[in-house]
Amino acid sequence: ELKVEQNPLFLSMQEGKNYTIYCNYSTTSDRLYWYRQDPGKSLESLFVLLSNGAVKQEGRLMASLDTKARLSTLHITAAVHDLSATYFCAVLTGTASKLTFGTGTRLQVTL
Amino acid sequence: DAGITQSPRHKVTETGTPVTLRCHQTENHRYMYWYRQDPGHGLRLIHYSYGVKDTDKGEVSDGYSVSRSKTEDFLLTLESATSSQTSVYFCATGTASNQPQHFGDGTRLSIL
Repeated sequence: ELKVEQNPLFLSMQEGKNYTIYCNYSTTSDRLYWYRQDPGKSLESLFVLLSNGAVKQEGRLMASLDTKARLSTLHITAAVHDLSATYFCAVLTGTASKLTFGTGTRLQVTL
Repeated sequence: DAGITQSPRHKVTETGTPVTLRCHQTENHRYMYWYRQDPGHGLRLIHYSYGVKDTDKGEVSDGYSVSRSKTEDFLLTLESATSSQTSVYFCATGTASNQPQHFGDGTRLSIL
């Protein structure tokens, strides 16, 4: 059974600071997704990582994938308040494009 | 946006009553999924469908059934609701490509 662990579960950081969210998974997979969820809202796709060494960047967020280490990171550069949300990683699981989600990291950026 | 509509958006019901949640998509995606979201658990897959009348169980399927009679509609039924099924339910669609799953706006279900 695939397990996906994220850490930290909660992150409070000041504006302007850098930080990294980690996503570890337990079995081989070469497709990983990052989503963002605002309180009371749906999930919004951020990044699709399709191979070992993949790196994607959008604004202050950068995601990477190391399939050998079974690790993905979401790096936040110079955080701003608008990045406050919960971030989920999800790993492709078996057939039918199923995903297994991590428990999420709640990010709070303070002024 | 895959054009996913979930209904109802909110529902309060009593233990032991049947409940059906509906998911409707307009993008002709092959795969459809039902998840539940609970604090500390992220999203967990309940059931999924890989075509009309083709469904299978996910991680937390006990107490739930599904049906897909048309490509665009995927129904989730709680035959006899229990308080442990109080949750936020999300429908999602997917394709066989590398594109991410698209999510509906969710249904907040409270069972008293």
